[in-house]
Amino acid sequence: AQSVAQPEDQVNVAEGNPLTVKCTYSVSGNPYLFWYVQYPNRGLQFLLKYITGDNLVKGSYGFEAEFNKSQTSFHLKKPSALVSDSALYFCAVRDLMNSGYSTLTFGKGTMLLVSP
Amino acid sequence: GAVVSQHPSRVICKSGTSVKIECRSLDFQATTMFWYRQFPKQSLMLMATSNEGSKATYEQGVEKDKFLINHASLTLSTLTVTSAHPEDSSFYICSARDRLAGGYEQYFGPGTRLTVT
Repeated sequence: AQSVAQPEDQVNVAEGNPLTVKCTYSVSGNPYLFWYVQYPNRGLQFLLKYITGDNLVKGSYGFEAEFNKSQTSFHLKKPSALVSDSALYFCAVRDLMNSGYSTLTFGKGTMLLVSP
Repeated sequence: GAVVSQHPSRVICKSGTSVKIECRSLDFQATTMFWYRQFPKQSLMLMATSNEGSKATYEQGVEKDKFLINHASLTLSTLTVTSAHPEDSSFYICSARDRLAGGYEQYFGPGTRLTVT
């Protein structure tokens, strides 16, 4: 099975500073990687994905992520954080389940807190 | 585009009763729908996968007789929690895959907060 790991439970950053939310992956074959954001009591919103192509992927709300094959990482980044970016962020990988269908397997999530 | 709705957003029920949660893809046809469960401050755990017109496939450890899933059409899937108990209290999120969009992305509903008293 494929898996992703998010080593940080929480990331704190001041507004205006760059932010990084870390994700590493373990897959067999080519990884299909995703980032989602979840606001309190809400479902997940898609931010970006890496399937193939350029290692730097640009997504919604100014976020980007860099696919690094040698380090098996897919860290989420933003040059200048906003207070409104405070939320729970999930890294995910496409995985083949027991059902035979592919779906997303999620990391445990990282809470991002941006202070004014 | 690619909107998934869930109803209700919140439900409180008494122990022993059954609760039905609906998941709809509003502007696309969903070949496959997924049901996830999320505990506070934890990740999403896949419960089951369903395809329109066929039986759902449940992940290991999920009781299929307790969590009944019906995928009646390409735009509607329902999850019924039967004989609910307080330990079933959780945040349930559905997700759908667009039949025509290559299948790489999943779109998520806003979730349903179930509280069993």
